[in-house]
Amino acid sequence: QSVLTQPPSVSGAPGQRVTISCTGSSSNIGAGYDVHWYQQLPGTAPKLLIYGNSNRPSGVPDRFSGSKSGTSASLAITGLQAEDEADYYCQSYDSSLSGPRVFGGGTKLTVL
Amino acid sequence: QVQLVQSGAEVKKPGASVKVSCKVSGYTLTELSMHWVRQAPGKGLEWMGGFDPEDGETIYAQKFQGRVTMTEDTSTDTAYMELSSLRSEDTAVYYCASPRGDHDAFDIWGQGTMVTVSS
Repeated sequence: QSVLTQPPSVSGAPGQRVTISCTGSSSNIGAGYDVHWYQQLPGTAPKLLIYGNSNRPSGVPDRFSGSKSGTSASLAITGLQAEDEADYYCQSYDSSLSGPRVFGGGTKLTVL
Repeated sequence: QVQLVQSGAEVKKPGASVKVSCKVSGYTLTELSMHWVRQAPGKGLEWMGGFDPEDGETIYAQKFQGRVTMTEDTSTDTAYMELSSLRSEDTAVYYCASPRGDHDAFDIWGQGTMVTVSS
């Protein structure tokens, strides 16, 4: 049971926009800690997608964007493509005994 | 380019220990802050511990304290993670990962090492 809650699955058709939420609390996201997002394709290591809430590493398409507000963060993917089908994880700090670094439970994105 | 290359798959019996290595190339180990993350089959990512450059110490997740040891050999730029008293629930892919830029997100990852605990 992660301290960062993500929906188990989301789906969308090619070209559509989807969002993935990451809900935390006052001991993590709400305390002002940054949120990072990772994409994991089947059978591969995770890849950094968004760091510091809304920054994209070099090479990540601008179809991917991140935001944070209060005790939650979101990852948005526009112009959905088949290759976006993957698992997505949020990550932050937590000042409780769960941390200090914690991951969300992950969200499976299915491109219909 | 920086690469993290991990040791190969391991099969261990319950109660045994396993030591996984992570060799850095393209950087030196001292330029990185190595962490370890594991993923049980079909499950999510779980942070195990890592080096905190602000404190200069390795911090472990409470769940693993007393059972995990993370060490570094700077002469060979290799990091190690040893997990003891293995049980079936420790069956997972173990990754080394590190921030590299001016942030603390994990932007470089090893390829993963599968550890199977079975009698």
